[in-house]
Amino acid sequence: GAVVSQHPSWVICKSGTSVKIECRSLDFQATTMFWYRQFPKQSLMLMATSNEGSKATYEQGVEKDKFLINHASLTLSTLTVTSAHPEDSSFYICSASGRASGANVLTFGAGSRLTVL
Amino acid sequence: TQLLEQSPQFLSIQEGENLTVYCNSSSVFSSLQWYRQEPGEGPVLLVTVVTGGEVKKLKRLTFQFGDARKDSSLHITAAQPGDTGLYLCAGDDQAGTALIFGKGTTLSVSS
Repeated sequence: GAVVSQHPSWVICKSGTSVKIECRSLDFQATTMFWYRQFPKQSLMLMATSNEGSKATYEQGVEKDKFLINHASLTLSTLTVTSAHPEDSSFYICSASGRASGANVLTFGAGSRLTVL
Repeated sequence: TQLLEQSPQFLSIQEGENLTVYCNSSSVFSSLQWYRQEPGEGPVLLVTVVTGGEVKKLKRLTFQFGDARKDSSLHITAAQPGDTGLYLCAGDDQAGTALIFGKGTTLSVSS
């Protein structure tokens, strides 16, 4: 149980276009979802925290107009990278927090690799 | 802002050697987790420690949480090439909040 699906796994786009990444909790309701960014050989950096039905809370230095986060339901959060540029190329990972089988769970998606040409 | 200092950042050892990875903070965490991540994949949870002084073992891996819940260590005995990967410690100050990650330790075990 407690599976998080992230889609797409890989995406390549042209500079200036927008890309949407989905994060779904498959078998539990995720009251909170977190979005992280990871550069090669580095750790995960928290970008934002989103609670279902409310605006996301962004970490310092993360542009909210650049990285649009929507958490419209208890099983889906989306991250849209708007007007992407090559420096936005990175590995984006979501995690979902909720309850499954009576226990608190925190599960990570498999990540989405974005390459902006 | 809570910070987790993880060391060493890179570690390259021979098969059969032992190693320890450290995770330290000036802040108290309600729990601390250790993850292992393969390239191109999300982190996979190895263990969660919640009680000060707690020691957990997972085969050849031994995890310890400091008495004050500010630090933790991961010890691997007789490392194998399959242990190669990025090891991450992460802590939270309360359930449901975002995990704060250490910088990670890239482990390479050669045969």
